Amino acid sequence: EPEVTQTPSHQVTQMGQEVILRCVPISNHLYFYWYRQILGQKVEFLVSFYNNEISEKSEIFDDQFSVERPDGSNFTLKIRSTKLEDSAMYFCASSGAGANQPQHFGDGTRLSIL
Amino acid sequence: AQSVTQPDIHITVSEGASLELRCNYSYGATPYLFWYVQSPGQGLQLLLKYFSGDTLVQGIKGFEAEFKRSQSSFNLRKPSVHWSDAAEYFCAVVLTGGGNKLTFGTGTQLKVEL
Repeated sequence: EPEVTQTPSHQVTQMGQEVILRCVPISNHLYFYWYRQILGQKVEFLVSFYNNEISEKSEIFDDQFSVERPDGSNFTLKIRSTKLEDSAMYFCASSGAGANQPQHFGDGTRLSIL
Repeated sequence: AQSVTQPDIHITVSEGASLELRCNYSYGATPYLFWYVQSPGQGLQLLLKYFSGDTLVQGIKGFEAEFKRSQSSFNLRKPSVHWSDAAEYFCAVVLTGGGNKLTFGTGTQLKVEL
């Protein structure tokens, strides 16, 4: 069964540094998402991406965040200048077209900001 | 306020016992409803979904869920729990006509006693 893959599984970064989290969505999916889960808290939506542009973003997704689909297979989340509170598990997901299409998640990247 | 509520933070059941995890939503219209499971160190795996039609839906791993419009609930059930079911379970919704983002409940941590 096709799956969403994320790299790296764990990223440790100094505060203020830029970080890029990478995702390879399922190949025939059209919608791509990033979510995050701060330790002990619920999973929160960050951004959705369709047709090479952001379709929706949350209040969390401020100017420090950006997403890109640099080629036909990868989907990346960049945090420009990391803060301590960015420490979390970041999940990528992808789905087919339509709100009733289930989102398939990767195993996540644990981001630790020192 | 619009929300997804999972009233039980932790639940402990004995192996072989039945299980019911509660989920309530508070939205004007019936959203699309999902249950996901997260094993330690893993991503989110879709168990089942409800969009319309038969209010009892079957999922993977022997799980089922029943949608009750009158109670705004979508409770997850399993007749006989296995030790490998120990994980965190998340109820999630997508608002119809409100984009594709998933809004998650706070999760229920399931512990299975042998």
